[in-house]
Amino acid sequence: AQSVAQPEDQVNVAEGNPLTVKCTYSVSGNPYLFWYVQYPNRGLQFLLKYITGDNLVKGSYGFEAEFNKSQTSFHLKKPSALVSDSALYFCAVRDMTTDSWGKFQFGAGTQVVVTP
Amino acid sequence: GAGVSQSPSNKVTEKGKDVELRCDPISGHTALYWYRQSLGQGLEFLIYFQGNSAPDKSGLPSDRFSAERTGGSVSTLTIQRTQQEDSAVYLCASSLASSYYNSPLHFGNGTRLTVT
Repeated sequence: AQSVAQPEDQVNVAEGNPLTVKCTYSVSGNPYLFWYVQYPNRGLQFLLKYITGDNLVKGSYGFEAEFNKSQTSFHLKKPSALVSDSALYFCAVRDMTTDSWGKFQFGAGTQVVVTP
Repeated sequence: GAGVSQSPSNKVTEKGKDVELRCDPISGHTALYWYRQSLGQGLEFLIYFQGNSAPDKSGLPSDRFSAERTGGSVSTLTIQRTQQEDSAVYLCASSLASSYYNSPLHFGNGTRLTVT
């Protein structure tokens, strides 16, 4: 089965500093990777996706993610973090294997705390 | 356009009572998912509907949980004889057909269930 892993429960960063949220994947075949953000008391919001093409994907709110096939990683990045970026971030892979056609598999989530 | 709509937004029920949670997906979205999220935690997959295919019920935690999707649109998640451990936020999400593998999930704001 396809899966993603988020090795960090929490990431702390000072406002204005670069932010990185890590995600590694395990898939057979082509990976279809997504990042979501969850603000307090809200549902998840789509940030960006990698399907094919350029390894650097740009998304909403100034976020980008780098797909690295050799390291099987899809880390989320933002050059300069804002306090308002404090939220829970989820990496996901869309499982296109026969048994789970189209099903999304989510990582455990990483809490990002940006301090002023 | 309208997003994924869930009702009620909050539900408080007594232990042992049955509850029904409703999800109205985005029009035209044939894939529909239910997830459960305990406070500040990750997403627990419950069930996945894809068009007219048999639903993937592999995540339902017990036979007290069931879900249906009428007419390929609105879905209802039913929990019978609720227990305190059922307290959580229940999230619904929808997407285009799984054949559109680059289609992201769109989430509702969830139903917060509290079992007293």
